[in-house]
Amino acid sequence: GDSVTQTEGLVTLTEGLPVMLNCTYQTIYSNPFLFWYVQHLNESPRLLLKSFTDNKRTEHQGFHATLHKSSSSFHLQKSSAQLSDSALYYCALSNYQLIWGSGTKLIIKP
Amino acid sequence: DPKIIQKPKYLVAVTGSEKILICEQYLGHNAMYWYRQSAKKPLEFMFSYSYQKLMDNQTASSRFQPQSSKKNHLDLQITALKPDDSATYFCASSQDRGHERLFFGHGTKLSVL
Repeated sequence: GDSVTQTEGLVTLTEGLPVMLNCTYQTIYSNPFLFWYVQHLNESPRLLLKSFTDNKRTEHQGFHATLHKSSSSFHLQKSSAQLSDSALYYCALSNYQLIWGSGTKLIIKP
Repeated sequence: DPKIIQKPKYLVAVTGSEKILICEQYLGHNAMYWYRQSAKKPLEFMFSYSYQKLMDNQTASSRFQPQSSKKNHLDLQITALKPDDSATYFCASSQDRGHERLFFGHGTKLSVL
């Protein structure tokens, strides 16, 4: 069946350094939609990014991701981490049912 | 002004009891969902409804029963509560089932003693 893999359970970075959270997926669906959701402490998840176009960069709130169907990847990146970026990040795949990754906890230290 | 209302925000229950978690959405969405999140597990999909019909069920236990009395309501009845049921239960909705973004309620934090 379809699946989403987030290899890092925890990423700890110093403020100002670049962020990259990995997301790869498996699906038989030729046109998947990929999402990044962010969940700050004591809050509910909310959409950060969404894409379905191959090789097109999607940006929002300083974060960006590019869907690469050739490598089945949708990594989340940011050029310079901020303390407020500390949160839980979920990658998800939609083939009419939303398939979630296990999440990556990002901790940004001063 | 929250558009997805979950009641109560916090709930304490004793083992073996039954509770109902309430969810109402005022976004005019046609699809609604229940998710669970505990300290031990990441966000876990439970149920999806579309136009008040059950579409997906990933919950193995029949102790969890969704109930949709109206299009914008999706309650979750949990019977014979166990300590392992302790978690935050999130209700979510989307315009339609498919590739739409999900909007989440603030959650109901359930503690089973």
